Amino acid sequence: QKEVEQDPGPLSVPEGAIVSLNCTYSNSAFQYFMWYRQYSRKGPELLMYTYSSGNKEDGRFTAQVDKSSKYISLFIRDSQPSDSATYLCAFNTGGFKTIFGAGTRLFVKA
Amino acid sequence: EAGVAQSPRYKIIEKRQSVAFWCNPISGHATLYWYQQILGQGPKLLIQFQNNGVVDDSQLPKDRFSAERLKGVDSTLKIQPAKLEDSAVYLCASSLDPLAGVSDTQYFGPGTRLTVL
Repeated sequence: QKEVEQDPGPLSVPEGAIVSLNCTYSNSAFQYFMWYRQYSRKGPELLMYTYSSGNKEDGRFTAQVDKSSKYISLFIRDSQPSDSATYLCAFNTGGFKTIFGAGTRLFVKA
Repeated sequence: EAGVAQSPRYKIIEKRQSVAFWCNPISGHATLYWYQQILGQGPKLLIQFQNNGVVDDSQLPKDRFSAERLKGVDSTLKIQPAKLEDSAVYLCASSLDPLAGVSDTQYFGPGTRLTVL
């Protein structure tokens, strides 16, 4: 079993749709849960990070963590063409090493 | 604030040749990371420096890869000799304060896209 599983997509949605991106993980020691966005031919940039279970909202983005199910989600409301990118989930035990998912490619059609 | 700079942006070499990548982190950032991102995969940490000391190089293929960070600022990553499977994007990232742990944001450069023929 992989430590992190993420559907590579691609996921194609119309502008204005609600997008749901998900990752599962197997390491119970993960305490920090992150989402990065990576545009084509650019480096990843941190979107959100969450400590422990629960929800965190930032504008159109909501990160959700369910530690009991080892499942995290990122929701994007009112999606825009500028949201078209690859979204990487990432995990950390509280040390310095971050483990990334493979990324989900998202296309938002105008 | 200037971001993380990397050069070259693209490199094409033949197998068994050598190649070097350069990274200039954000000014004042103590921690520097080199990641390998193979097409369709997430970034994999190769080596992490704190100032000019190595924190983690457990996934660096030391028989062919080497990295250094002189004076705790710029860093170079070298591959010698290159193999076909080294074709990937090599990302450099930096963060300000390692003692802040994971809440200390990593800032990534644009990467160097390496193609080994």
